[in-house]
Amino acid sequence: SQQGEEDPQALSIQEGENATMNCSYKTSINNLQWYRQNSGRGLVHLILIRSNEREKHSGRLRVTLDTSKKSSSLLITASRAADTASYFCATDLYNFNKFYFGSGTKLNVKP
Amino acid sequence: EPEVTQTPSHQVTQMGQEVILRCVPISNHLYFYWYRQILGQKVEFLVSFYNNEISEKSEIFDDQFSVERPDGSNFTLKIRSTKLEDSAMYFCASGGRSSDTQYFGPGTRLTVL
Repeated sequence: SQQGEEDPQALSIQEGENATMNCSYKTSINNLQWYRQNSGRGLVHLILIRSNEREKHSGRLRVTLDTSKKSSSLLITASRAADTASYFCATDLYNFNKFYFGSGTKLNVKP
Repeated sequence: EPEVTQTPSHQVTQMGQEVILRCVPISNHLYFYWYRQILGQKVEFLVSFYNNEISEKSEIFDDQFSVERPDGSNFTLKIRSTKLEDSAMYFCASGGRSSDTQYFGPGTRLTVL
């Protein structure tokens, strides 16, 4: 299937450390998006990276995309307890208006 | 900042009943989506909607489901005869362009008894 799959499934770090999450997918895409979801809440869009981009930054977030390996990574620098959430990547099918989410990485940042 | 809104926040219904979940997308957006998330599982695509018609749908989106944009501002998801396994969070999203950033609403938690 097309679904992005995140790795690791769970990550526990201390406040101030960096957190890296990875996403792999299977077919050509237009773009890849990262979302955050706090427990039981809605999805918050973090960053979109297009297939012709290799790296994007937004505040403490850094996203890379390697289309040859069909993978992306999300780096959160200097993590805070408030970053505790599940993080999902979502990919579209090239030329199709449908999107697939992975199972997510559950990040726990300990104060 | 404009946002997607959804009502109700929580809907409880009996099996076999019809439910309508409502969404107000961001006003200048053209693409609309419904997703669902069963508790503890991944977010699943249901349907995308553009130019007053369905553009893509998943295998989950069977004949029990329908979508409508009745008045140019609301976007609704109807489940005709709910089943226990329809219990989930249902998220509406909208976007300005195809394959562009999608903005999600807070979700409607549907509980089918």
